[in-house]
Amino acid sequence: DIQMTQSPSSLSASVGDRVTLTCRASQGISNNLAWFQQKPGKAPKSLIYAASFLQSGVPSKFSGSGSGTDFTLTISSLQPEDFATYYCQQYNSYPLTFGGGTKVEIK
Amino acid sequence: QITLKESGPTLVKPTKTLTLTCTFSGFSLSTSGVSVGWIRQPPGKALEWLALIYWNDDKHYSPSLQSRLTITKDTSKNQVVLTMTNMDPVDTATYYCAHSPDGSSWGFFDYWGQGSLVTVSS
Repeated sequence: DIQMTQSPSSLSASVGDRVTLTCRASQGISNNLAWFQQKPGKAPKSLIYAASFLQSGVPSKFSGSGSGTDFTLTISSLQPEDFATYYCQQYNSYPLTFGGGTKVEIK
Repeated sequence: QITLKESGPTLVKPTKTLTLTCTFSGFSLSTSGVSVGWIRQPPGKALEWLALIYWNDDKHYSPSLQSRLTITKDTSKNQVVLTMTNMDPVDTATYYCAHSPDGSSWGFFDYWGQGSLVTVSS
Protein backbone atom coordinates (compact mmCIF):
# COMPACT_ATOMS: atom_id res chain seq x y z
CA ASP A 1 0.00 0.00 0.00
CA ILE A 2 1.10 3.57 -0.63
CA GLN A 3 1.27 5.53 2.63
CA MET A 4 0.36 9.21 2.51
CA THR A 5 1.93 11.40 5.19
CA GLN A 6 0.71 14.93 5.75
CA SER A 7 2.58 17.60 7.66
CA PRO A 8 2.09 19.35 9.87
CA SER A 9 -0.81 17.56 11.54
CA SER A 10 -2.09 20.95 12.65
CA LEU A 11 -1.15 24.58 12.30
CA SER A 12 -2.32 27.91 13.62
CA ALA A 13 -2.49 30.83 11.23
CA SER A 14 -4.02 34.27 10.96
CA VAL A 15 -6.48 35.67 8.47
CA GLY A 16 -4.50 36.88 5.47
CA ASP A 17 -1.62 34.47 5.98
CA ARG A 18 -0.21 32.37 3.17
CA VAL A 19 -0.10 28.75 4.26
CA THR A 20 1.47 25.70 2.69
CA LEU A 21 0.51 22.14 3.55
CA THR A 22 2.63 19.14 2.63
CA CYS A 23 1.76 15.61 1.56
CA ARG A 24 4.36 12.91 0.97
CA ALA A 25 3.77 9.54 -0.69
CA SER A 26 5.76 6.46 0.33
CA GLN A 27 6.45 5.77 -3.35
CA GLY A 28 6.07 7.66 -6.58
CA ILE A 29 2.51 8.40 -7.66
CA SER A 30 3.19 10.64 -10.67
CA ASN A 31 0.63 13.45 -10.38
CA ASN A 32 -2.26 11.23 -9.26
CA LEU A 33 -3.03 13.23 -6.15
CA ALA A 34 -6.10 15.06 -4.90
CA TRP A 35 -6.73 17.52 -2.07
CA PHE A 36 -9.92 17.85 -0.05
CA GLN A 37 -11.23 20.32 2.50
CA GLN A 38 -13.45 19.14 5.33
CA LYS A 39 -15.30 21.26 7.85
CA PRO A 40 -16.72 19.81 11.08
CA GLY A 41 -19.81 17.70 10.50
CA LYS A 42 -19.59 18.07 6.72
CA ALA A 43 -18.54 15.85 3.85
CA PRO A 44 -15.15 16.41 2.26
CA LYS A 45 -15.09 18.88 -0.60
CA SER A 46 -12.77 18.32 -3.54
CA LEU A 47 -10.32 21.16 -4.19
CA ILE A 48 -7.59 19.89 -6.50
CA TYR A 49 -6.98 16.86 -8.69
CA ALA A 50 -4.02 15.70 -10.75
CA ALA A 51 -1.85 17.51 -8.18
CA SER A 52 -2.41 20.98 -9.59
CA PHE A 53 -5.77 21.22 -11.35
CA LEU A 54 -8.43 23.25 -9.58
CA GLN A 55 -11.80 21.56 -9.26
CA SER A 56 -14.63 23.54 -10.85
CA GLY A 57 -15.90 26.31 -8.60
CA VAL A 58 -12.90 26.31 -6.25
CA PRO A 59 -11.38 29.77 -5.76
CA SER A 60 -7.96 30.46 -7.23
CA LYS A 61 -6.47 31.20 -3.79
CA PHE A 62 -6.00 27.43 -3.61
CA SER A 63 -3.12 25.96 -5.60
CA GLY A 64 -1.40 22.62 -5.70
CA SER A 65 1.97 21.48 -6.91
CA GLY A 66 4.26 18.50 -6.93
CA SER A 67 4.88 15.23 -8.65
CA GLY A 68 6.33 11.88 -7.71
CA THR A 69 6.37 11.74 -3.92
CA ASP A 70 6.19 15.32 -2.65
CA PHE A 71 3.17 17.57 -2.96
CA THR A 72 1.96 20.87 -1.54
CA LEU A 73 -1.32 22.70 -1.17
CA THR A 74 -1.05 26.46 -0.79
CA ILE A 75 -3.72 28.88 0.33
CA SER A 76 -2.59 32.31 -0.76
CA SER A 77 -4.54 34.42 1.71
CA LEU A 78 -6.30 32.59 4.50
CA GLN A 79 -9.90 33.62 5.09
CA PRO A 80 -12.22 32.65 7.95
CA GLU A 81 -14.02 30.10 5.76
CA ASP A 82 -10.73 28.30 5.07
CA PHE A 83 -10.25 27.09 8.62
CA ALA A 84 -10.82 23.37 8.23
CA THR A 85 -9.03 20.04 7.94
CA TYR A 86 -7.32 19.25 4.64
CA TYR A 87 -6.69 15.75 3.30
CA CYS A 88 -4.62 14.46 0.41
CA GLN A 89 -5.45 11.25 -1.47
CA GLN A 90 -3.48 9.21 -3.98
CA TYR A 91 -5.23 7.48 -6.84
CA ASN A 92 -2.18 6.11 -8.62
CA SER A 93 -2.87 2.55 -7.53
CA TYR A 94 -5.11 0.41 -5.38
CA PRO A 95 -5.78 0.55 -2.54
CA LEU A 96 -6.68 4.22 -2.70
CA THR A 97 -5.23 5.94 0.34
CA PHE A 98 -5.69 9.19 2.22
CA GLY A 99 -3.32 11.16 4.36
CA GLY A 100 -3.97 11.72 8.05
CA GLY A 101 -5.04 15.33 7.52
CA THR A 102 -3.81 18.80 8.45
CA LYS A 103 -6.05 20.88 10.68
CA VAL A 104 -5.79 24.60 10.00
CA GLU A 105 -6.83 26.59 13.05
CA ILE A 106 -7.21 30.26 13.83
CA LYS A 107 -4.29 31.88 15.66
CA GLN B 1 -25.75 18.56 -11.21
CA ILE B 2 -24.32 15.48 -9.56
CA THR B 3 -25.73 14.53 -6.16
CA LEU B 4 -25.35 11.44 -4.01
CA LYS B 5 -27.09 10.42 -0.81
CA GLU B 6 -26.39 7.57 1.56
CA SER B 7 -29.13 5.68 3.39
CA GLY B 8 -29.18 2.83 5.85
CA PRO B 9 -29.37 2.02 9.53
CA THR B 10 -27.92 4.34 12.11
CA LEU B 11 -27.41 1.56 14.65
CA VAL B 12 -26.11 -1.94 14.02
CA LYS B 13 -25.45 -4.70 16.53
CA PRO B 14 -22.04 -6.38 16.72
CA THR B 15 -21.62 -9.40 14.41
CA LYS B 16 -24.51 -8.24 12.19
CA THR B 17 -24.33 -7.16 8.55
CA LEU B 18 -24.52 -3.51 7.50
CA THR B 19 -26.22 -2.60 4.22
CA LEU B 20 -25.84 0.93 2.91
CA THR B 21 -27.40 2.34 -0.23
CA CYS B 22 -26.07 5.23 -2.26
CA THR B 23 -28.72 6.85 -4.45
CA PHE B 24 -27.37 9.28 -7.00
CA SER B 25 -28.49 11.62 -9.76
CA GLY B 26 -26.86 13.74 -12.42
CA PHE B 27 -24.86 10.92 -13.99
CA SER B 28 -25.27 7.36 -15.15
CA LEU B 29 -23.25 4.42 -13.93
CA SER B 30 -23.53 2.97 -17.42
CA THR B 31 -21.30 5.73 -18.80
CA SER B 32 -17.89 4.42 -19.77
CA GLY B 33 -15.21 5.06 -17.16
CA VAL B 34 -17.47 6.32 -14.38
CA SER B 35 -17.30 4.77 -10.92
CA VAL B 36 -18.75 5.16 -7.44
CA GLY B 37 -16.82 4.55 -4.26
CA TRP B 38 -17.37 4.22 -0.54
CA ILE B 39 -15.20 5.93 2.04
CA ARG B 40 -15.61 5.97 5.83
CA GLN B 41 -14.44 8.18 8.66
CA PRO B 42 -14.46 7.12 12.32
CA PRO B 43 -15.27 9.97 14.70
CA GLY B 44 -12.32 12.35 14.92
CA LYS B 45 -10.19 10.27 12.56
CA ALA B 46 -9.05 10.32 8.96
CA LEU B 47 -10.77 9.12 5.81
CA GLU B 48 -10.47 5.47 4.79
CA TRP B 49 -11.32 4.14 1.33
CA LEU B 50 -13.44 0.98 1.30
CA ALA B 51 -14.56 0.00 -2.19
CA LEU B 52 -15.12 1.16 -5.77
CA ILE B 53 -17.37 -0.11 -8.55
CA TYR B 54 -17.02 0.81 -12.21
CA TRP B 55 -19.58 1.25 -14.96
CA ASN B 56 -18.58 -2.16 -16.36
CA ASP B 57 -19.04 -3.87 -12.95
CA ASP B 58 -15.31 -4.01 -12.26
CA LYS B 59 -14.85 -3.89 -8.48
CA HIS B 60 -12.00 -3.02 -6.13
CA TYR B 61 -11.79 -3.37 -2.36
CA SER B 62 -9.60 -2.29 0.51
CA PRO B 63 -7.37 -5.33 1.14
CA SER B 64 -7.79 -5.04 4.91
CA LEU B 65 -11.59 -5.26 4.64
CA GLN B 66 -12.05 -7.21 1.41
CA SER B 67 -13.31 -10.35 3.08
CA ARG B 68 -16.16 -8.42 4.69
CA LEU B 69 -17.21 -6.10 1.86
CA THR B 70 -19.44 -6.46 -1.17
CA ILE B 71 -20.25 -3.61 -3.55
CA THR B 72 -22.97 -3.86 -6.18
CA LYS B 73 -24.82 -1.53 -8.49
CA ASP B 74 -28.32 -1.21 -9.89
CA THR B 75 -27.98 1.01 -12.91
CA SER B 76 -31.72 1.20 -13.52
CA LYS B 77 -32.29 2.59 -10.02
CA ASN B 78 -29.16 4.78 -9.96
CA GLN B 79 -28.01 3.03 -6.81
CA VAL B 80 -24.86 1.47 -5.41
CA VAL B 81 -25.07 -0.83 -2.40
CA LEU B 82 -22.31 -1.65 0.08
CA THR B 83 -22.61 -4.55 2.49
CA MET B 84 -20.20 -5.10 5.36
CA THR B 85 -20.43 -8.30 7.37
CA ASN B 86 -19.51 -9.06 10.97
CA MET B 87 -19.76 -5.50 12.20
CA ASP B 88 -17.69 -4.47 15.22
CA PRO B 89 -17.71 -1.33 17.40
CA VAL B 90 -14.50 -0.21 15.64
CA ASP B 91 -16.56 0.05 12.45
CA THR B 92 -18.48 2.96 13.97
CA ALA B 93 -18.02 5.75 11.44
CA THR B 94 -19.61 8.11 8.98
CA TYR B 95 -19.88 6.30 5.66
CA TYR B 96 -19.70 8.34 2.46
CA CYS B 97 -20.35 7.44 -1.13
CA ALA B 98 -18.68 9.49 -3.84
CA HIS B 99 -18.55 9.85 -7.63
CA SER B 100 -15.33 9.29 -9.53
CA PRO B 101 -15.08 10.65 -13.09
CA ASP B 102 -13.92 8.83 -16.16
CA GLY B 103 -10.62 9.47 -17.82
CA SER B 104 -7.22 9.98 -16.32
CA SER B 105 -8.59 11.02 -12.93
CA TRP B 106 -10.17 7.67 -12.13
CA GLY B 107 -10.15 7.16 -8.38
CA PHE B 108 -10.48 10.89 -7.70
CA PHE B 109 -13.69 11.62 -5.80
CA ASP B 110 -15.13 14.86 -7.12
CA TYR B 111 -18.63 14.69 -5.65
CA TRP B 112 -19.54 13.29 -2.23
CA GLY B 113 -22.73 12.41 -0.43
CA GLN B 114 -23.56 14.01 2.90
CA GLY B 115 -22.54 10.89 4.82
CA SER B 116 -24.37 8.39 7.00
CA LEU B 117 -23.31 7.88 10.62
CA VAL B 118 -23.38 4.23 11.61
CA THR B 119 -22.91 3.23 15.23
CA VAL B 120 -22.09 -0.36 16.15
CA SER B 121 -23.32 -1.20 19.61
CA SER B 122 -25.32 -3.83 21.40
